[in-house]
Amino acid sequence: DQQVKQNSPSLSVQEGRISILNCDYTNSMFDYFLWYKKYPAEGPTFLISISSIKDKNEDGRFTVFLNKSAKHLSLHIVPSQPGDSAVYFCAAITSGTYKYIFGTGTRLKVLA
Amino acid sequence: NAGVTQTPKFRVLKTGQSMTLLCAQDMNHEYMYWYRQDPGMGLRLIHYSVGEGTTAKGEVPDGYNVSRLKKQNFLLGLESAAPSQTSVYFCATIGGSSYNEQFFGPGTRLTVL
Repeated sequence: DQQVKQNSPSLSVQEGRISILNCDYTNSMFDYFLWYKKYPAEGPTFLISISSIKDKNEDGRFTVFLNKSAKHLSLHIVPSQPGDSAVYFCAAITSGTYKYIFGTGTRLKVLA
Repeated sequence: NAGVTQTPKFRVLKTGQSMTLLCAQDMNHEYMYWYRQDPGMGLRLIHYSVGEGTTAKGEVPDGYNVSRLKKQNFLLGLESAAPSQTSVYFCATIGGSSYNEQFFGPGTRLTVL
């Protein structure tokens, strides 16, 4: 039972355009969400997060949107750069558990 | 600061052999995790530890054992390796009361023949 889903395995975007990566979850107890970026042969690195009490969090070119009623979050990257080409994982957690559940990942390719 | 290190980086085992993967951290973090990454499956939690001497099962714990005898080290053991355990294994840590930012190690690529 996949509690966190990323239904798009891959995405290609032109440099300078917006990249939108999506993530859906089924467990209504999740109250904190994170995005990680992973380059080949490296461990994932933290990108941005959002608490369930917010619906938007912004950090530079990266913005995460949370729609609790739809159990959906998205990561927007504007403008996209070739260095953003990586696999992006969303993750979710319930406060007090410290047990992170990850999605299957979306491979983003930004074309120069 | 080395952050999170994993030993070894690569390993090839035969079915039935045993091995131990070591994760070491120098950030004095309380929480440590072992994940496996497989194509199309994302990162799946194997076991985790909320402090020295404690461990707990994650999503896919079968076939693995762990120990956290020292705060800075988290060991993942395979007693009798199976081809289904061919994967890339990542260790991660988190400290403090924030849920942000798990710090990941570089990974161990394990192949079981």
